[in-house]
Amino acid sequence: GNSVTQMEGPVTLSEEAFLTINCTYTATGYPSLFWYVQYPGEGLQLLLKATKADDKGSNKGFEATYRKETTSFHLEKGSVQVSDSAVYFCALSPPGFKTIFGAGTRLFVKA
Amino acid sequence: GAVVSQHPSWVICKSGTSVKIECRSLDFQATTMFWYRQFPKQSLMLMATSNEGSKATYEQGVEKDKFLINHASLTLSTLTVTSAHPEDSSFYICSARSGGGQGTYEQYFGPGTRLTVT
Repeated sequence: GNSVTQMEGPVTLSEEAFLTINCTYTATGYPSLFWYVQYPGEGLQLLLKATKADDKGSNKGFEATYRKETTSFHLEKGSVQVSDSAVYFCALSPPGFKTIFGAGTRLFVKA
Repeated sequence: GAVVSQHPSWVICKSGTSVKIECRSLDFQATTMFWYRQFPKQSLMLMATSNEGSKATYEQGVEKDKFLINHASLTLSTLTVTSAHPEDSSFYICSARSGGGQGTYEQYFGPGTRLTVT
């Protein structure tokens, strides 16, 4: 079946630290992969996406590469800011199926 | 980018009353809309999927008579919580997707509606 597994949070970092949030998936076919971010009290915003193997999605300093060989889509950022504090959701969307979300990883960034 | 709005952003109602939440796609036609429920510090739980002009498909365990979904046009879907009770208090999020078939299944999310039932 289709599933997404994210690293458990919360993740607490100091400002300017390097961020990695792991995401692995199982899927039939060739899904599209997404990272969404949710700020407190708000809905989800698309952060980045990748539609095929070896694609790299990037936005606002965040990056993730679609790794088919390791079935992973880890989120990285070289230098986090306090304003990056939020919950991050990894998601996959197999063709013809509904989107499946990971459990979410809460990130706290300290000044 | 594509924008989805929800109204109201928050609502407080008394137990036993009904509440309607609207979800609109502002600059694209949404052939499919999704309604999610999110409990504090948890992931999104898909409640139902609706395609314009047809009945919604509810996820297992979601009461279709309690959570009425209408997708009357390509830009509007509504969720009505009927005879609300305190346990229905939650954050409800809609999302919309255009097109179908193969391709990138990107969903655009509304800002959410916080429902509190007293």
